[in-house]
Amino acid sequence: SQTIHQWPATLVQPVGSPLSLECTVEGTSNPNLYWYRQAAGRGLQLLFYSVGIGQISSEVPQNLSASRPQDRQFILSSKKLLLSDSGFYLCAWKDAPIEINEKLFFGSGTQLSVL
Amino acid sequence: GQQLNQSPQSMFIQEGEDVSMNCTSSSIFNTWLWYKQDPGEGPVLLIALYKAGELTSNGRLTAQFGITRKDSFLNISASIPSDVGIYFCAGQLLAASKLTFGTGTRLQVTL
Repeated sequence: SQTIHQWPATLVQPVGSPLSLECTVEGTSNPNLYWYRQAAGRGLQLLFYSVGIGQISSEVPQNLSASRPQDRQFILSSKKLLLSDSGFYLCAWKDAPIEINEKLFFGSGTQLSVL
Repeated sequence: GQQLNQSPQSMFIQEGEDVSMNCTSSSIFNTWLWYKQDPGEGPVLLIALYKAGELTSNGRLTAQFGITRKDSFLNISASIPSDVGIYFCAGQLLAASKLTFGTGTRLQVTL
């Protein structure tokens, strides 16, 4: 069965420090991978998605970047965090869009607080 | 771009009551998904719908794919305290890489 791992669960970082959040998926190959951000009590904002190794699509201009160094690994990074980067970050995956019955599955999330 | 309007934004109900929420879109979707999110956790998939008119149940939850393919409904019968959370709808076009999410319905259940 497929599983998604996201870490860390909680992170407190000072303004100006770097960031690296990692997400890995097991039990599938060539998945589509996604990074979402959620402000407290708000909806899901898509930040990046990837349809393959080295392929990154950015949805909104921001202080963050994403990379996909391996098929089932997706990394969210920043060189210098801003206060506005605080939020709940969610990684998600789904099978590449060749299947009819597509479903998106989420990781458990990382609560990032930038102080 | 596509937008999903989800309503109501929040609901306060008593235990045992039935709940209804819906999502409407300006565009047609091929897939509708419903998720529930508990505080501090990732959304969990509840029900997936793939055909117009489809009615699918998962325990006390029932969801329907609207005939026009521009809307979907989620009903929860006989609510219990553990139903508390945020419910999200999501729509997707066939072979699309991205889903479009609704803004969420926050459900509170009182004893």
